[in-house]
Amino acid sequence: DTEVTQTPKHLVMGMTNKKSLKCEQHMGHRAMYWYKQKAKKPPELMFVYSYEKLSINESVPSRFSPECPNSSLLNLHLHALQPEDSALYLCASSQSGWQGAYEQYFGPGTRLTVT
Amino acid sequence: GQQVMQIPQYQHVQEGEDFTTYCNSSTTLSNIQWYKQRPGGHPVFLIQLVKSGEVKKQKRLTFQFGEAKKNSSLHITATQTTDVGTYFCAGLGAGSYQLTFGKGTKLSVIP
Repeated sequence: DTEVTQTPKHLVMGMTNKKSLKCEQHMGHRAMYWYKQKAKKPPELMFVYSYEKLSINESVPSRFSPECPNSSLLNLHLHALQPEDSALYLCASSQSGWQGAYEQYFGPGTRLTVT
Repeated sequence: GQQVMQIPQYQHVQEGEDFTTYCNSSTTLSNIQWYKQRPGGHPVFLIQLVKSGEVKKQKRLTFQFGEAKKNSSLHITATQTTDVGTYFCAGLGAGSYQLTFGKGTKLSVIP
């Protein structure tokens, strides 16, 4: 199984809402990532979890809160977002936390719209 | 910080023509990866290059890593409509632990 799954596929939320994005992989990968991608732009790294510990936080606002309950699951908790946070949120995984050493498997993404 | 420049930003080709996208890094790279993202899709890993001067082929796709490990290219021979998408390079700076993505080249193929 070389698949990374993400739910939901689409999410519309108001600026006062709290929601969560979920990501799952069953490849035994020990590194998982959250990226944000705006239209016509490359993926922008937000967080890296390595062996279930947060190893990289790219100065992301606190309204985004990651969580890694176990080695297969990754969540992104959203609270008090702004319209400019609307984007495609991609989850990815790789064999290790050294980001460039191994190929990354991306999930299909969650298309988030903040109203 | 490390920068990875990718050109061209857009390329429109007639089906059957060749296509090349180039990546240039401001610093020496440990390795470089290439990803393809179809319209409405997610990035899919294509290949990783590690050695200086390395050339790898996947059917009609040829990937090269420069001798100085500061540039790379992806060449597609005889494009097909299935090649449509955005091609991203992502480089790992020497001594770094984090990939830097290029801005991507969006390929359109006219049937």
